[in-house]
Amino acid sequence: KQEVTQIPAALSVPEGENLVLNCSFTDSAIYNLQWFRQDPGKGLTSLLLIQSSQREQTSGRLNASLDKSSGRSTLYIAASQPGDSATYLCGKMIYNQGGKLIFGQGTELSVKP
Amino acid sequence: GAVVSQHPSRVICKSGTSVKIECRSLDFQATTMFWYRQFPKQSLMLMATSNEGSKATYEQGVEKDKFLINHASLTLSTLTVTSAHPEDSSFYICSAIPGHRDAGIQYFGAGTRLSVL
Repeated sequence: KQEVTQIPAALSVPEGENLVLNCSFTDSAIYNLQWFRQDPGKGLTSLLLIQSSQREQTSGRLNASLDKSSGRSTLYIAASQPGDSATYLCGKMIYNQGGKLIFGQGTELSVKP
Repeated sequence: GAVVSQHPSRVICKSGTSVKIECRSLDFQATTMFWYRQFPKQSLMLMATSNEGSKATYEQGVEKDKFLINHASLTLSTLTVTSAHPEDSSFYICSAIPGHRDAGIQYFGAGTRLSVL
């Protein structure tokens, strides 16, 4: 069974702090790993996508890494801001499954001013 | 970037009625669209894969007669919740993959909040 787990479920940090969100998955038959942001009652916004052949991707203050052998991905947020408060979801896309994503439970991040 | 429009954003209906949710890709053609369901404080669970011009593929445990999916064109997929009941109340989100695949990037709609009274 394909599973994706995110730890912690919730995280509260003061503004300016650097933080790491974790995503672990079973089965290394991964096509890509995607990180999304979800604001309350809203859809998903794509943040970063890491192909299976890549080890990391960066966009602004965000850096995502992928280690297939250990089944782990991390999302690093530098210099966090209150506007970063949201739920962060990782999704694993599997080979030959037509593009289906399997999501973790999400990490609810709160950045306090 | 690519835009996926989902309508309506919120619907409240009486038990026993049917509700249709639309998912449109506005600036690209989507041969494949996905429908997800999300309960409060939980993750997205895939319900079905919608393929243009063919029958949808449902995930295990999802009733195909309850959740009717139609993907009649390359830019539109619809999900109809038939004879809705309070337990169907949830947040429904669609996503679409551009026809050229774009290395697996998926674009999501803003979601539909369904409340069945």
